[in-house]
Amino acid sequence: DTGVSQDPRHKITKRGQNVTFRCDPISEHNRLYWYRQTLGQGPEFLTYFQNEAQLEKSRLLSDRFSAERPKGSFSTLEIQRTEQGDSAMYLCASSTGPPENYEQFFGPGTRLTVL
Amino acid sequence: QQPVQSPQAVILREGEDAVINCSSSKALYSVHWYRQKHGEAPVFLMILLKGGEQKGHEKISASFNEKKQQSSLYLTASQLSYSGTYFCGTEDGQNFVFGPGTRLSVLP
Repeated sequence: DTGVSQDPRHKITKRGQNVTFRCDPISEHNRLYWYRQTLGQGPEFLTYFQNEAQLEKSRLLSDRFSAERPKGSFSTLEIQRTEQGDSAMYLCASSTGPPENYEQFFGPGTRLTVL
Repeated sequence: QQPVQSPQAVILREGEDAVINCSSSKALYSVHWYRQKHGEAPVFLMILLKGGEQKGHEKISASFNEKKQQSSLYLTASQLSYSGTYFCGTEDGQNFVFGPGTRLSVLP
């Protein structure tokens, strides 16, 4: 297994544009997480899936953010009408079980820059 | 609620020891520790579970005081490769939250 992959690795966009990121988890992992990380901070939880079901969504996540995992495999995170404050590293992670007792495997991230 | 980590940063010489602390105001089910090198993704180090079970790296040790909702990560005989930012993540049964991180620099 090659681990968690994310695409693209870098994205530069203009304010107001929509962007979509993809995450491919480790194949046997049924849990998938999205985080946002800014410089000097820890990963900030956005949302997570168990198979195709979105179980939790951060209150910090505005309506401009949406995530899907249609077949319980890969996931997409879409940001509509991007703002400069959305500039960050977006990390995806996967695991075989719930976060209380299973480690998460992180992908390399997608760095978003909103001009 | 985000856990608190201390210190914010530490600088060591190779071979020295370090302790990184993580505390929460909530009752915890588990504490995770991850290390992130500059420009890379976080990498799992250890999980400490309520009840005393630990899962993780053989060369890294940690403790979890369930009564105080505190965890400490012990780095002994540090190597240059230990440099990076260490994050604790806490699970309180409702939310999994990462701390702000402790930046560790090991100098030759």
